[in-house]
Amino acid sequence: EDKVVQSPLSLVVHEGDTVTLNCSYEVTNFRSLLWYKQEKKAPTFLFMLTSSGIEKKSGRLSSILDKKELFSILNITATQTGDSAVYLCAVEMDNQGGKLIFGQGTELSVKP
Amino acid sequence: DAGVIQSPRHEVTEMGQEVTLRCKPISGHNSLFWYRQTMMRGLELLIYFNNNVPIDDSGMPEDRFSAKMPNASFSTLKIQPSEPRDSAVYFCASSLIRGQAYEQYFGPGTRLTVT
Repeated sequence: EDKVVQSPLSLVVHEGDTVTLNCSYEVTNFRSLLWYKQEKKAPTFLFMLTSSGIEKKSGRLSSILDKKELFSILNITATQTGDSAVYLCAVEMDNQGGKLIFGQGTELSVKP
Repeated sequence: DAGVIQSPRHEVTEMGQEVTLRCKPISGHNSLFWYRQTMMRGLELLIYFNNNVPIDDSGMPEDRFSAKMPNASFSTLKIQPSEPRDSAVYFCASSLIRGQAYEQYFGPGTRLTVT
């Protein structure tokens, strides 16, 4: 069965800390891995990763994919209270018409 | 672009009633996805369409759920009859598939409460 597993499920840090969120997957015909941020509303897109070892970066957020070990990490440096959210990892499989399988999410809470 | 539009934003109904959720995808997108999100089960894919054709409805929980996409700019998700366990946030998302990897854009969701 195809699955995406995220860890930890929840995390509490203080402003300024650096955090690393993990996503591992077991799917047939992997195509891409996506990260979304969900505050108290709809998920918003962060990154899409298709190749191993190439870091995607946006401000204080960065992400990298390892297709050999079947995982991805999302790093957030110098965290701010506005980073508090649920971070979702999703995997797209090839020839599935765009279907995504989501992990259960990591709930990040950044305290002042 | 206005993004994905969903209506209503909130729906409260009594058990046994019919509920219809609506979605307008981003103009030009050719794929549409319906998700359900609960605390217990997270984000679950219910059904998705490519070029208005249903591709995979294996996530639809039971026959009480049905979805249609009569044209490229409109889709509905219907629950009949509704039950309290259907209470959740229902998201619609759309994307453009052109043979390469892409991202899905989510609507604001419909929060359904069945009493």
